[in-house]
Amino acid sequence: AQTVTQSQPEMSVQEAETVTLSCTYDTSESDYYLFWYKQPPSRQMILVIRQEAYKQQNATENRFSVNFQKAAKSFSLKISDSQLGDAAMYFCAYRSAKTGANNLFFGTGTRLTVIP
Amino acid sequence: NAGVTQTPKFQVLKTGQSMTLQCAQDMNHEYMSWYRQDPGMGLRLIHYSVGAGITDQGEVPNGYNVSRSTTEDFPLRLLSAAPSQTSVYFCASSRGTANTEAFFGQGTRLTVV
Repeated sequence: AQTVTQSQPEMSVQEAETVTLSCTYDTSESDYYLFWYKQPPSRQMILVIRQEAYKQQNATENRFSVNFQKAAKSFSLKISDSQLGDAAMYFCAYRSAKTGANNLFFGTGTRLTVIP
Repeated sequence: NAGVTQTPKFQVLKTGQSMTLQCAQDMNHEYMSWYRQDPGMGLRLIHYSVGAGITDQGEVPNGYNVSRSTTEDFPLRLLSAAPSQTSVYFCASSRGTANTEAFFGQGTRLTVV
């Protein structure tokens, strides 16, 4: 079975600074997708960024970028120029390419605090 | 643009009561699923469906039933609620196995006393 591990239950960052959230996963498959989701206090699950395993290039979305190391099964999220609105729970998630996009394995989350 | 709509948003049940959590999507998605979110556990898959009339179990299916009679709706039934089912429940839908994303509802906070 696939497992997703987030070893940092809590992180904090000064406003305008950069922070990196860690995620590792375990799978025997070669074709899969990885995601970072943001969950603010409203509970809404918001997709931040996604990475296709077959792509070597790391995904980037504005201030958010990932460091995808397929051999090491590592998928970290870097948030640059942190803003107060970035404060939330962040979940790393895995999905096999064989299953539906709604069948995700989630990590336990990292609570990010942004200090003004 | 409604997306994925869950009702109710909050619910308190007594142990042994039954109830149905509703999930509806208006995006004509074939694939739908239910998750529960517990503190420190992340989201875990309960049941999923790949189309009307087709459902399957996820990681934590015990105590829950589902059916899928239409593309739009995917209700989750608790036949006899237990305190261990106190959780936040999310419904999600997607177009399928293609390179696409899941769309989540706003969640239902369920407390079983």
